Amino acid sequence: DQQVKQNSPSLSVQEGRISILNCDYTNSMFDYFLWYKKYPAEGPTFLISISSIKDKNEDGRFTVFLNKSAKHLSLHIVPSQPGDSAVYFCAASLNNDMRFGAGTRLTVKP
Amino acid sequence: KAGVTQTPRYLIKTRGQQVTLSCSPISGHRSVSWYQQTPGQGLQFLFEYFSETQRNKGNFPGRFSGRQFSNSRSEMNVSTLELGDSALYLCASSLYPGEAFFGQGTRLTVV
Repeated sequence: DQQVKQNSPSLSVQEGRISILNCDYTNSMFDYFLWYKKYPAEGPTFLISISSIKDKNEDGRFTVFLNKSAKHLSLHIVPSQPGDSAVYFCAASLNNDMRFGAGTRLTVKP
Repeated sequence: KAGVTQTPRYLIKTRGQQVTLSCSPISGHRSVSWYQQTPGQGLQFLFEYFSETQRNKGNFPGRFSGRQFSNSRSEMNVSTLELGDSALYLCASSLYPGEAFFGQGTRLTVV
């Protein structure tokens, strides 16, 4: 059962522009949503999270938006940098049981 | 502060054998979760331990088991290995809900 979906397997943006990564979920009971960045053969690196009681959380260049009625969240990276190129996973957590999306490969072109 | 440490980094085992993987969480973190990552299935939740007790469990067969010690270190055991168990096994530790920090993972190859 795919409770968390990232429908775009890849995204390419120009350096300096905004990157928007999207994620949909099905279980309205999830209490936290997280974004991770991952390089091959490494563990995911935690980027930012948001509680289900909020609709926005910002940390530097990263902002996560949560739309509970649509069961949708997005990660905005502004401005995008070539070093941001990686696979990004969204995750939804319920009582520390995290379900991950399949990931979106972001490529930021110089 | 040291991050999450997983040992070994790489492992090759034969079908039918059993394997034990180790995870040392960030100091002070009491929750440890285990995940399996494969190209076909992505990242899948195995189980979570808190204060030496399994709190949550994913949809994996009983061949996959774990435990947590009083110092919060955790081990994961897979018995009767199958070729399909080849994967990157990741451990994550957390102090608060809504955050989890991963180790580098153990790459298990079953031949």
